[in-house]
Amino acid sequence: EAGVTQFPSHSVIEKGQTVTLRCDPISGHDNLYWYRRVMGKEIKFLLHFVKESKQDESGMPNNRFLAERTGGTYSTLKVQPAELEDSGVYFCASSQTWTSGVFGDTQYFGPGTRLTVL
Amino acid sequence: QKEVEQNSGPLSVPEGAIASLNCTYSDRGSQSFFWYRQYSGKSPELIMFIYSNGDKEDGRFTAQLNKASQYVSLLIRDSQPSDSATYLCAVPNFNKFYFGSGTKLNVKP
Repeated sequence: EAGVTQFPSHSVIEKGQTVTLRCDPISGHDNLYWYRRVMGKEIKFLLHFVKESKQDESGMPNNRFLAERTGGTYSTLKVQPAELEDSGVYFCASSQTWTSGVFGDTQYFGPGTRLTVL
Repeated sequence: QKEVEQNSGPLSVPEGAIASLNCTYSDRGSQSFFWYRQYSGKSPELIMFIYSNGDKEDGRFTAQLNKASQYVSLLIRDSQPSDSATYLCAVPNFNKFYFGSGTKLNVKP
């Protein structure tokens, strides 16, 4: 079974440009999450999809970030326009279930996309 | 105060020794705790999770949880050079995981 895949693995762009990151979750996983790790900091939650619906986007830093998951399969995260502080590693994760309880469900992570904004 | 705290290390242990990785968390209502291992440039990979106070063993790995002290640890017995990686402690709150900054472990041959 293929794991979570992300594309591209690296992206270097100029400030003000647009970048789109893609995540393909594990087949059959309804839940898809985006996280980000900026230099020297911990991995932080951005948002959660259940199928094609945004369940929680409380971690999105501002309206320059737009996430979509059309059809409930793969997801894209667009940054427009990119700023220097957006540099970091963007991780995608998926889980089969979401019990909506405090226990949490095991999330399986992709390798991340390293974004560098110059 | 951070939700989840870990010593960033590096923690260096000789091959064959026990490596002890520690994590504290701030939310007293937290119920489950996950340990991930991440090699440089790779996906965080689930090692194990623990719900109940006490110890949980899986092969060379043992997770220990003390909810009263808000403390969770991961012990790696018979450490191998291939265990050298960053170990991430994650604490879920409903749909989102809160991560520590990770502890870098070096196992010296």
